[in-house]
Amino acid sequence: QVQLVESGGGVVQSGRSLRLSCAASGFTFSTYGIHWVRQAPGKGLEWVAVISYDGSSTYYADSVKGRFTISRDNSKNTLYLQMSTLRVEDTAVYYCAKDLGDYYYANYFDPWGQGTLVTVSS
Amino acid sequence: ENVLTQSPGTLSLSPGERATLSCRASRSVSSTYLAWYQQKPGQAPRLLIYGISSRATGIPDRFSGSGSGTDFTLTISRLESEDFAVYYCQQYGSWPLTFGGGTKVEI
Repeated sequence: QVQLVESGGGVVQSGRSLRLSCAASGFTFSTYGIHWVRQAPGKGLEWVAVISYDGSSTYYADSVKGRFTISRDNSKNTLYLQMSTLRVEDTAVYYCAKDLGDYYYANYFDPWGQGTLVTVSS
Repeated sequence: ENVLTQSPGTLSLSPGERATLSCRASRSVSSTYLAWYQQKPGQAPRLLIYGISSRATGIPDRFSGSGSGTDFTLTISRLESEDFAVYYCQQYGSWPLTFGGGTKVEI
């Protein structure tokens, strides 16, 4: 079955960097875009970024543009989120989620991984 | 960005009752690009509805979506115990993709 497993979360000081990973299995990873979506503790969902199936196209939320970089390695079926200049307000559970479009952006997502918690301390 | 406002914030109902959840967009949503997700405590969200009214794979037919333009509705015809959760709408007609703040359906 389709599975996404995030890793790399933890506690980091404000201003530092962290890289998240998302390991995919159960589908042809190289033909689907993948998104990052985050959820601050007790809050709602916020879309963060998306990368196209081949990595040639990316989009970001304004709140992370210039600080976060989404990338992928199709040979390893793995998605990444490089987070730099972290802020306290970046504290959240970060989910990766599979786009429903095959070779194009459908921009709605399923399934989602279980999430990884990033805590940015001051 | 297209801001989505969900109402009510919390809906208190009993099993067997009908639930009606609202999602209002600050600008008209392009085409049919509106989805709904369900999230239970401690779990990741899951897709319920896309394209305003199309049910995702495995979603029971007591869930239905409707609306157009700026006003959308998720209806659960007869609540079952496993439906008590938080529901989010999401628009995908324009960048950035945005979610509503959620509606909690509680017993």
